[in-house]
Amino acid sequence: DSGVTQTPKHLITATGQRVTLRCSPRSGDLSVYWYQQSLDQGLQFLIQYYNGEERAKGNILERFSAQQFPDLHSELNLSSLELGDSALYFCASSVELWADSGNTIYFGEGSWLTVV
Amino acid sequence: AQKITQTQPGMFVQEKEAVTLDCTYDTSDPSYGLFWYKQPSSGEMIFLIYQGSYDQQNATEGRYSLNFQKARKSANLVISASQLGDSAMYFCAMEDNQGGKLIFGQGTELSVKP
Repeated sequence: DSGVTQTPKHLITATGQRVTLRCSPRSGDLSVYWYQQSLDQGLQFLIQYYNGEERAKGNILERFSAQQFPDLHSELNLSSLELGDSALYFCASSVELWADSGNTIYFGEGSWLTVV
Repeated sequence: AQKITQTQPGMFVQEKEAVTLDCTYDTSDPSYGLFWYKQPSSGEMIFLIYQGSYDQQNATEGRYSLNFQKARKSANLVISASQLGDSAMYFCAMEDNQGGKLIFGQGTELSVKP
């Protein structure tokens, strides 16, 4: 158990709908990351928050948004869903912005999203 | 641009034998971090081992060790005494030079034979 909690674990929804994925980072971790894993794109970084502030942005679509709340949990909102958004969405967390031997990046179990 | 390359899409190993999973990277930064993660068929991403570019010794974590060759820009994962439970996808990743986010390779699927 990495200590990073993601809900829901599985989600099936229709095209055009909106979903929210939730992540609770490990206790004490200030940095939260979201990744998307699909068969054709592999593992892609979406966005990073650090202590409530957006820190880095990757290949995140405009239909997607995220935020990190004062209690450090984070949510990823996916709207106007398309079939191609079906993927495994990971949340990860770390203590600081930079990893080192004492501060690594741990992943949650992921949220499987299927858009039908 | 930073890049991670895993050239072995799939590998087989006999139970109890050692196996090496290859990873090469490309970066112009002097300071960087390298990670290995394991992804079983259930989907979760499990952290295995970390190597910092300035670490003097190769990282080890139980049966996992990282063969870090800086001049060759390689960070191969060595799994000793393979177990059936080691069958999974293995990803090599590098920390982005902007901080924190990881750049992943395409992964290597390891199958351990009894």
